[in-house]
Amino acid sequence: DVKVTQSSRYLVKRTGEKVFLECVQDMDHENMFWYRQDPGLGLRLIYFSYDVKMKEKGDIPEGYSVSREKKERFSLILESASTNQTSMYLCASSLGETQYFGPGTRLLVL
Amino acid sequence: SQQGEEDPQALSIQEGENATMNCSYKTSINNLQWYRQNSGRGLVHLILIRSNEREKHSGRLRVTLDTSKKSSSLLITASRAADTASYFCATYPAGKSTFGDGTTLTVKP
Repeated sequence: DVKVTQSSRYLVKRTGEKVFLECVQDMDHENMFWYRQDPGLGLRLIYFSYDVKMKEKGDIPEGYSVSREKKERFSLILESASTNQTSMYLCASSLGETQYFGPGTRLLVL
Repeated sequence: SQQGEEDPQALSIQEGENATMNCSYKTSINNLQWYRQNSGRGLVHLILIRSNEREKHSGRLRVTLDTSKKSSSLLITASRAADTASYFCATYPAGKSTFGDGTTLTVKP
């Protein structure tokens, strides 16, 4: 079975802090994705990556950056956390069309 | 705006009843997928239907696709309390995944 893990289930940070969200997959998938999920807005794609050291902007990349130094790991970085980045963050990986999701990280920015 | 939009937003039924939820999308697609999300968890893939298919079954799930109307439906038969979750459709226009807002299904025992 594909396993996608995220470094934290719950995270509380202060405004202005730099925040790292880590995602690791164990199935040698080429593609990895970061989404945020907010009530009434569904899942919105932040960034995705089709290969190591490669990244593409999704629909809402502002305020975020990503890093993919190794195939199995895709990191989401909030350069300076703000309260409007309080959300559920979901990581996913895929080889083809089906995405496999991690359990999510619920981030609260105070 | 979302490529995929589910309808209804919320659905409440009794155990044993059937649940039907719908998805509409805007652009042409190669395939459409349905996912389930239990409260506070990640999404789990349920079923994929390709654009040249009209209907697909998987256990108690039945998915239909009407490309002329740009719509899909997910039917869960003989629902169980464990089916309580949010259900999302997903499409991939221009190579980017796009999810709808989801239908929240509550199955009462």
